[in-house]
Amino acid sequence: DSGVTQTPKHLITATGQRVTLRCSPRSGDLSVYWYQQSLDQGLQFLIQYYNGEERAKGNILERFSAQQFPDLHSELNLSSLELGDSALYFCASSRREGPRTGELFFGEGSRLTVL
Amino acid sequence: GQQVMQIPQYQHVQEGEDFTTYCNSSTTLSNIQWYKQRPGGHPVFLIQLVKSGEVKKQKRLTFQFGEAKKNSSLHITATQTTDVGTYFCAGPWAGNQFYFGTGTSLTVIP
Repeated sequence: DSGVTQTPKHLITATGQRVTLRCSPRSGDLSVYWYQQSLDQGLQFLIQYYNGEERAKGNILERFSAQQFPDLHSELNLSSLELGDSALYFCASSRREGPRTGELFFGEGSRLTVL
Repeated sequence: GQQVMQIPQYQHVQEGEDFTTYCNSSTTLSNIQWYKQRPGGHPVFLIQLVKSGEVKKQKRLTFQFGEAKKNSSLHITATQTTDVGTYFCAGPWAGNQFYFGTGTSLTVIP
């Protein structure tokens, strides 16, 4: 158990819909990272937050948005869903930010299926 | 585009054989990490390398960081079925962006 909690574990929805994925980082971790992993694909970096503020943006679509709340949990919002958005979405947390971020602890992921 | 390439993409080995995966970056890295993802699981941190030319060992696993800090390798001696999974290198690029390599999927044939 990494200490990172992601909900929901599975989600099935239709094209055009909007979903919200939630992540609770490990106790004491201030950084939250979001990654997308499509079937048999690598981990695509989406976005990172540190202590409530956006710190880095990767390959995140404009239809996607995220935020980190004062209690440090984070939410990833995916809208106008397309079939290609079907993937496993991972959240990871770490103590620090920046190049010396240290170990990332991953949640078990939220599997999104868009029909 | 992808800034971190790993080779090979797939590797099948007989149990007991050695395995190596290589990670190559287009830019110099301040540090590099390695993760393992078991089938159906989530990535789990293995190790972090920081110094140029650094070599670290964890039982049958040997990790190296290149002298120029642009490449790294993971070598597993005498693979076991428990080594099955995808191995990713990862590191900070362009500041805070933390990218993962393309991964090497290892299959161990008993």
